[in-house]
Amino acid sequence: AQKVTQAQTEISVVEKEDVTLDCVYETRDTTYYLFWYKQPPSGELVFLIRRNSFDEQNEISGRYSWNFQKSTSSFNFTITASQVVDSAVYFCALRNSGANSKLTFGKGITLSVRP
Amino acid sequence: DSGVTQTPKHLITATGQRVTLRCSPRSGDLSVYWYQQSLDQGLQFLIQYYNGEERAKGNILERFSAQQFPDLHSELNLSSLELGDSALYFCASSASSGSQETQYFGPGTRLLVL
Repeated sequence: AQKVTQAQTEISVVEKEDVTLDCVYETRDTTYYLFWYKQPPSGELVFLIRRNSFDEQNEISGRYSWNFQKSTSSFNFTITASQVVDSAVYFCALRNSGANSKLTFGKGITLSVRP
Repeated sequence: DSGVTQTPKHLITATGQRVTLRCSPRSGDLSVYWYQQSLDQGLQFLIQYYNGEERAKGNILERFSAQQFPDLHSELNLSSLELGDSALYFCASSASSGSQETQYFGPGTRLLVL
């Protein structure tokens, strides 16, 4: 069984603040894949990042950074110097290895960035 | 723009009716996935097709069915619709069926059952 927990449901920050979105996962597999998706108010799901379980390097892409820690089963997402355009629902997702595995999403975190 | 297209964008229908949602994957992608997003259930995986064949099934109701055609587009058929079927239905595609593949999502079809 696999599970993704995003304990924060709503976060509100003022523009230019840094914000971290938490993601904790559960899986019995040793090989798995973690993802973050963004759902802006327009409704589409936008892919942000994929991380393999055997690659614990943190990643930075512009104002976005991701901290993957297998020891705590966490894959947290930080937005630095947030902007109003970052307002969206952010989903963390997990997929185990195996042909019949499915992508399991967390409940999502609604981020509001106020000007 | 992910390259995945879905039609229609919005659909309003009545209980008991049947509807068909259509999805065209990104060019070159062989796998298509269907998801349902509702307020109470969140994002739920329904079904996956790979190169025309069903590959994996999630929490898909018996009233729902899907298929993938030789040109790789896919259709999700929803029948005997109930109020609770109102949701946003997403299609996603990936290059292959491997679990490491990134799924790219279409814009979704918003279904309202009255």
